[in-house]
Amino acid sequence: AQSVTQLDSHVSVSEGTPVLLRCNYSSSYSPSLFWYVQHPNKGLQLLLKYTSAATLVKGINGFEAEFKKSETSFHLTKPSAHMSDAAEYFCVVTVGGGKLIFGQGTELSVKP
Amino acid sequence: ETGVTQSPTHLIKTRGQQVTLRCSSQSGHNTVSWYQQALGQGPQFIFQYYREEENGRGNFPPRFSGLQFPNYSSELNVNALELDDSALYLCASSEITGTYEQYFGPGTRLTVT
Repeated sequence: AQSVTQLDSHVSVSEGTPVLLRCNYSSSYSPSLFWYVQHPNKGLQLLLKYTSAATLVKGINGFEAEFKKSETSFHLTKPSAHMSDAAEYFCVVTVGGGKLIFGQGTELSVKP
Repeated sequence: ETGVTQSPTHLIKTRGQQVTLRCSSQSGHNTVSWYQQALGQGPQFIFQYYREEENGRGNFPPRFSGLQFPNYSSELNVNALELDDSALYLCASSEITGTYEQYFGPGTRLTVT
């Protein structure tokens, strides 16, 4: 069975400081992993994806994530937070593509 | 390229009623998935349709049913609505390819009173 655990329900950073959103996964097979972002009253937008190619994945808006099989982690980072990054972030795992399994989400707040 | 669209945006229903939600997939995509997102939770997979057939189902009762049409648009039907069905319903379209990226619509907010 596959599952995802987002280790923080809420993260607060100051504008211009680094962002770290943590995600651990569990999967019996080689997973595909994604990060999605959801702004208030908006749909989900794909930030980046890992599909067994390079372990360091670059996404949109300066975000990146590193797949670490030994730690079963897929943490999302950004060097410098912007006010527009404030949103809900979801780590997602899938095997076989049919069913996306979402974490509970991490709410990112950015202080001026 | 047209993205995923959903209708209606908001809906209020009474317990026991039936509801139909609609989704138009992104151009070129042949697969549609539906998710339920309760307040403060991550989305939960309801089911997926590929070539007009159900292609996987999550842990939802049979009163949740769906259809996919030849143009790949889709409907989600919920019978005998319960208060716990109040949620944001998200539709996502994709192609059956190696990366299985799913592209989401803005959702339909259903309130059951």
